[in-house]
Amino acid sequence: GESVGLHLPTLSVQEGDNSIINCAYSNSASDYFIWYKQESGKGPQFIIDIRSNMDKRQGQRVTVLLNKTVKHLSLQIAATQPGDSAVYFCAETDNAGNMLTFGGGTRLMVKP
Amino acid sequence: EPEVTQTPSHQVTQMGQEVILRCVPISNHLYFYWYRQILGQKVEFLVSFYNNEISEKSEIFDDQFSVERPDGSNFTLKIRSTKLEDSAMYFCASRGDRASQHFGDGTRLSIL
Repeated sequence: GESVGLHLPTLSVQEGDNSIINCAYSNSASDYFIWYKQESGKGPQFIIDIRSNMDKRQGQRVTVLLNKTVKHLSLQIAATQPGDSAVYFCAETDNAGNMLTFGGGTRLMVKP
Repeated sequence: EPEVTQTPSHQVTQMGQEVILRCVPISNHLYFYWYRQILGQKVEFLVSFYNNEISEKSEIFDDQFSVERPDGSNFTLKIRSTKLEDSAMYFCASRGDRASQHFGDGTRLSIL
């Protein structure tokens, strides 16, 4: 079936380093991809999104890259901080903004 | 920044009882969603709601589930006769014109 999945369940980085979190998706009809951050006891928090007609989008300290050829999505966090420690999910949807299909999540741990 | 709010934060219920989970979406949003997350698993779509009717639902959303927008601000999820396997975090989400959905911090539902 269609799915969105993550390559690594846990990523440990040193404070100040850059982090890269990866995601593979299989639904080539998806129009819209979103990265969420989930801290313990909280709901998914929107980080950044990208439309399927783009290959890169930058936010504050974050960049999302989309490679439609290999159906791959990544989230880059610059100068990772302890407050970035959380589980990160990618999600995909169609242009109508219907149901989100989430990946399994990657836990980012930032070492001081 | 506007946010989605959910009540209660934790609900404990006996198996077979009815529960109602409540959500106040962001005020100018028109699309509403319920998701659930079983402990340690990915977030799963339940139902989407627009213009006072269900627009999409998953296989999880069976006859025991219902949603309602009883007034201009609340959006509720009712489980008519709870089962042990209904124990999970339930997240409400809403969106405006963009496809990105914004989530509340969830209700932890524990069925005894």
